[in-house]
Amino acid sequence: GAVVSQHPSRVICKSGTSVKIECRSLDFQATTMFWYRQFPKQSLMLMATSNEGSKATYEQGVEKDKFLINHASLTLSTLTVTSAHPEDSSFYICSAKNRDRGEKLFFGSGTQLSVL
Amino acid sequence: SQKIEQNSEALNIQEGKTATLTCNYTNYSPAYLQWYRQDPGRGPVFLLLIRENEKEKRKERLKVTFDTTLKQSLFHITASQPADSATYLCVFGNGGGSYIPTFGRGTSLIVHP
Repeated sequence: GAVVSQHPSRVICKSGTSVKIECRSLDFQATTMFWYRQFPKQSLMLMATSNEGSKATYEQGVEKDKFLINHASLTLSTLTVTSAHPEDSSFYICSAKNRDRGEKLFFGSGTQLSVL
Repeated sequence: SQKIEQNSEALNIQEGKTATLTCNYTNYSPAYLQWYRQDPGRGPVFLLLIRENEKEKRKERLKVTFDTTLKQSLFHITASQPADSATYLCVFGNGGGSYIPTFGRGTSLIVHP
């Protein structure tokens, strides 16, 4: 099956610093990547959609200058939380899709971000 | 607006029984529905996909139904086991080129030994 690797799994940082989260598709080409955040006992909230080689499309209410998404290749997408604040603390998950594999989504294992 | 609803309360059942989870949607006509399993602190894992022209889909102990009249999908786990305890998410898609997956909140299933 398709594997999506997400790193780091957990990060603790000080307020004001930037954090980069990587999402790699290990054995397939991710034509589309989705980034979600999830609060405890809540649903996955879509933050942005990115297609390889083009700018990410952000959902309403998500600050594109705060959550920088780069999808430079078919196997790598990154989410950078800039100038993180405690309210950015959350569980961030990426998922990848490949048009040849239909509508199925392949998820990373998630990153728990804690901003002090 | 498009809305997808799942039982917000946890479902507690006894081992060996059949668990039934519900997913309802409004203001949308999805081309298909998917079900995922999510364990605490992990990303969701794909389980089943059912299309609008399919009434039922099975995979081992799992069964999914799709009723476009009721705008509802039911997810069944037969002969449930404690290892089935997790949160189950439903998500629908439009089947078109522009695919924005929308997730329900998920239902927590707890199977007691």
